[in-house]
Amino acid sequence: LAKTTQPISMDSYEGQEVNITCSHNNIATNDYITWYQQFPSQGPRFIIQGYKTKVTNEVASLFIPADRKSSTLSLPRVSLSDTAVYYCLRTLPTDKLIFGTGTRLQVFP
Amino acid sequence: NAGVTQTPKFQVLKTGQSMTLQCAQDMNHEYMSWYRQDPGMGLRLIHYSVGAGITDQGEVPNGYNVSRSTTEDFPLRLLSAAPSQTSVYFCASRTGSDGYTFGSGTRLTVV
Repeated sequence: LAKTTQPISMDSYEGQEVNITCSHNNIATNDYITWYQQFPSQGPRFIIQGYKTKVTNEVASLFIPADRKSSTLSLPRVSLSDTAVYYCLRTLPTDKLIFGTGTRLQVFP
Repeated sequence: NAGVTQTPKFQVLKTGQSMTLQCAQDMNHEYMSWYRQDPGMGLRLIHYSVGAGITDQGEVPNGYNVSRSTTEDFPLRLLSAAPSQTSVYFCASRTGSDGYTFGSGTRLTVV
């Protein structure tokens, strides 16, 4: 089961926009891209999901280009409370979620 | 709705002991999964279920059994605990195309 590829860690400052890119070269036709957020000592929390183009909700935006080989999670104006691990996943047709190592985002004052 | 409830929150076992981690959801979700997360690592899928009576193996199923006799419950059984099973265990559920809802986890230590 192929996992996605994303940076191990990123640093940002409060008020900045953060873009986390995820690579999924072998994405299948029926796969969706889903992002989860995990704080220490908590279970992951669903953030956003998309198939292609752009999806936006109250928390984030997700950009998926036409070839769908990558995607970018955009967090506008981050705060200290956005410090967490962010996981990019291919949502398989069989509904299993296979997690990679995620991106550790550290937001500084 | 209570969401996904996991019990116990903490557990210490001796090597060779068996136990069951409980997971219950009150959202009538079809899909349920069990994950383990070792320190500093991502989550690894142990077992999952797409509905009552249907289960399948994930990435790391050895040493664990599951059953899904009802929609609400998805217990995870450790047959003979080993120190390598020391981890945090998360249960999750979803319905349709929605994202998974995760429980708060069970922290298991095997000595």
